[in-house]
Amino acid sequence: EIVLTQSPGTLSLSPGERATLSCRASQSVSTSHLVWYQQRPGQAPRLLISGASSRATGIPDRFSGSGSGTDFTLTITRLEPEDFAVYYCQQYVSSPYTFGQGTKVEIK
Amino acid sequence: QVQLLESGGGVVQPGRSLRLSCAASAFSLSRHGMHWVRQAPGKGLEWVAVVSNDGSIKNYADSVKGRFTISRDTTRNTLFLQLDSLRPEDTAVYYCARFVAEAGISIGFDYWGQGTPVTVSS
Repeated sequence: EIVLTQSPGTLSLSPGERATLSCRASQSVSTSHLVWYQQRPGQAPRLLISGASSRATGIPDRFSGSGSGTDFTLTITRLEPEDFAVYYCQQYVSSPYTFGQGTKVEIK
Repeated sequence: QVQLLESGGGVVQPGRSLRLSCAASAFSLSRHGMHWVRQAPGKGLEWVAVVSNDGSIKNYADSVKGRFTISRDTTRNTLFLQLDSLRPEDTAVYYCARFVAEAGISIGFDYWGQGTPVTVSS
């Protein structure tokens, strides 16, 4: 089983600041199979980034993904009020298709 | 437009069963792998099960293997999750999600249902 570890657990930032979220895998994950989701309170998750770096339809360009191998990063360049949420990475290399434990981006 | 509508959740005693449904509209289940994901209260997302687009492959998380069964009815375009031998730790909101892949790249879950809550308690 591939374990995904996200850090930090919580990120306290102000609107307009930059957020950098990390996702580390217990073994190498092809960039083709690393995805990021956003979940706002009371809502289902929303697809953000596919293939480690490609924004999903309708996702603003302040969101970007990068990384390879075992280390992946989600960056939000200028936080908007609606970006304060929980973010999850997930791998599709092999079953079980594990999620990271999530990073909460909260308003400072 | 594409929609996934779950139903079947509720309150159940430990050891009992439930059957969750996920009715899909505006696309065919036969063209996509379909997954179940759950989220315990105040916790993160946990992948539960998958059925491949042709129905030939089914995989499960270790935590539910042997107790949960994923299936689908393509004539009704509906996905199911049979939950047997339920435990308190199965308490969660259960989401169905559509998986998309293109040219060997996992796009991910592009559509999710609204979730159906399951509470296992005596």
